[in-house]
Amino acid sequence: GAGVSQSPSNKVTEKGKDVELRCDPISGHTALYWYRQSLGQGLEFLIYFQGNSAPDKSGLPSDRFSAERTGGSVSTLTIQRTQQEDSAVYLCASSDRRGGRADTQYFGPGTRLTVL
Amino acid sequence: LAKTTQPISMDSYEGQEVNITCSHNNIATNDYITWYQQFPSQGPRFIIQGYKTKVTNEVASLFIPADRKSSTLSLPRVSLSDTAVYYCLVGDRRDTGRRALTFGSGTRLQVQP
Repeated sequence: GAGVSQSPSNKVTEKGKDVELRCDPISGHTALYWYRQSLGQGLEFLIYFQGNSAPDKSGLPSDRFSAERTGGSVSTLTIQRTQQEDSAVYLCASSDRRGGRADTQYFGPGTRLTVL
Repeated sequence: LAKTTQPISMDSYEGQEVNITCSHNNIATNDYITWYQQFPSQGPRFIIQGYKTKVTNEVASLFIPADRKSSTLSLPRVSLSDTAVYYCLVGDRRDTGRRALTFGSGTRLQVQP
C-alpha cells in the first residue's frame, strides 16, 4: 500500500513568513509523529498524535510551532514567523500502536524548509 | 536525556561484516530495541527490532546480551549501498515524547570498494 507522503517536498520562504507542512500517514495508522532534522544531525522529536488523545507537544521548540491532525488522519505542521534557524528537513512518521511491541515507525520523505 | 550512545562513524569494505554497538544502560523492563537506517535525503527506514538474545531477518541480525544494556546490529557482507546512518532507539509502546523519541546523531557507516 501507499506509504507516508509529505508535501511540499521543498519549501523556500522569507524570514517572518508563516509556512504549513502537510503529512498524509499510512491509512489506518493511529499514531503520527513530527521530527526535525538539521543538516548532518539526528532527528529531533517535535510532536506526537495518538488516536483521539491530546497530542504530546513536549518537543516543540517554541510557541511559533503548532500542529493539528484532522479526522485522525492528515496532519499539518505550522511554523509562524519563520526564522533562519528553522531551516531543516521536517519528517513525518506514522505507526500502528495497537500491537504490544514497540513502535515501528514508517517515515515520509520529508519537507526541506529553507528560510532566507 | 540521552537514552542511547553509539559511535559517531565507522568505515568498512565491501564484503565485510559490520557490527555497530549501541549502549543503553538505563533500558527499562518493557523497552524494546529498534534500529533504523537512513540514506541521504530520505526518511529513516526500519531495519530490525528485538527484546533479548538474538533476532535475525533478511537484512541484519540483532544481538542483545542478557543484561540488555547494549545491543549490536550486525550487517553481513556489506555492500556500497549499505553506506548510511544507523540509529538505535530504545522504548516501548507506551513511550511518547522527547525522552523516548530522541534518535541522537546515529552511526555513519561508510563502505569502501
